[in-house]
Amino acid sequence: EVQLLDSGGGLVQPGGSLRLSCAASGFTFSTYAMSWVRQAPGKGLEWVSGISGSGGSTYYADSVKGRFTMSTDNSKNTLSLQMNSLRAEDTAVYYCAKGRAMVTWSAMDVWGQGTTVTVSS
Amino acid sequence: QSVLTQPPSASGTPGQRVTISCSGSRSNIGSNTVNWYQQLPGTAPKLLIYTNNQRPSGVPDRFSGSKTGASASLAISGLQSEDESDYYCAAWDDSLIGYVFGTGTKVTVL
Repeated sequence: EVQLLDSGGGLVQPGGSLRLSCAASGFTFSTYAMSWVRQAPGKGLEWVSGISGSGGSTYYADSVKGRFTMSTDNSKNTLSLQMNSLRAEDTAVYYCAKGRAMVTWSAMDVWGQGTTVTVSS
Repeated sequence: QSVLTQPPSASGTPGQRVTISCSGSRSNIGSNTVNWYQQLPGTAPKLLIYTNNQRPSGVPDRFSGSKTGASASLAISGLQSEDESDYYCAAWDDSLIGYVFGTGTKVTVL
């Protein structure tokens, strides 16, 4: 069974850092694009970042560019999101998602259960 | 602020047909394929339609998608109570160099 398990969320002060992880299983991790998508309380979905299946291309939303870094560890089938200089507006449920193909613009066909990040003093 | 615009709400009675529009621009829907996601309350999104009009395995054929120019639409025929959910369109944007979601539409079954 194809599965994604998000973890790493929590409460952090403004300006702080947090690292999210996503453990993948049931598919060849390195051959599919992966993304992070977030949803602020009561709001819609917002794409945060995406990485190609080859790992050669990584893209970020303008709202997180320069603060967030996405990476993969193909040996552990794990996706990570390092979040620095966190702001109150980063408060959201963060989902990792698998693309249907290697390219970052492919539809996301499998989603994690989400992990909650709260940025507050 | 999303670049893909959807109506905030839509509704219908059981058995009716409901259509949700998604308006974009040349750089997103006009140049790339459209995907649709369903999000039931308190759960992760689920892929409903990909590549404009393709259904993943397990998605009922009551759901259909279409695209014309820089706009797309999702139709739900034979509306059922379990279709009460939030629906989002999405596409890659060549100008933003990123993936964009629509503003979302809440479907209510009356």
